[in-house]
Amino acid sequence: GQSLEQPSEVTAVEGAIVQINCTYQTSGFYGLSWYQQHDGGAPTFLSYNALDGLEETGRFSSFLSRSDSYGYLLLQELQMKDSASYFCAAQDSNYQLIWGAGTKLIIKP
Amino acid sequence: KAGVTQTPRYLIKTRGQQVTLSCSPISGHRSVSWYQQTPGQGLQFLFEYFSETQRNKGNFPGRFSGRQFSNSRSEMNVSTLELGDSALYLCASSLPRPNQETQYFGPGTRLLVL
Repeated sequence: GQSLEQPSEVTAVEGAIVQINCTYQTSGFYGLSWYQQHDGGAPTFLSYNALDGLEETGRFSSFLSRSDSYGYLLLQELQMKDSASYFCAAQDSNYQLIWGAGTKLIIKP
Repeated sequence: KAGVTQTPRYLIKTRGQQVTLSCSPISGHRSVSWYQQTPGQGLQFLFEYFSETQRNKGNFPGRFSGRQFSNSRSEMNVSTLELGDSALYLCASSLPRPNQETQYFGPGTRLLVL
């Protein structure tokens, strides 16, 4: 079956750096997306990696290694507003997004 | 450009009833996907519509159905509601393949089945 694994919860300190990992197993693979969801809100798109390497968007970066079926989201200079759940989603051969269960990021002052 | 809208935002139903949820995608987006999200869970894919045709379907029972209209608006219907159907139902629109990796979500409909 198709699945994505990511940690259920990560805790970090304000101002620090945190990495959220994601491993995937899908039927075919086009790319890996990351979404952020605040409590009570809808998921919002953060980034997409189709090729190996690092993509940087401000304080957020996303990495992909297709040979390892692995990616991560890196958040720098953490702010309290970054407290949210982060989901990785892999695009399979049908272009359908397969979602991980989400990682709850807790930020402490 | 207006975002994805979903109605109603909140709904309370009893077991055995049926419910219809509505989604209006971003103007110009013809692909609409529906997801179910329960507390602490990821997004479970229900189905995807493009140009009024169901293109993909997740592993949900036949009680869950949907359709898309010529203006790209979409509805999903759940018949014979069960307690386990209580969830947040999210609709997302996107550009056509292969640029479907960016999905724009509506605020969701929170359904409570009593």
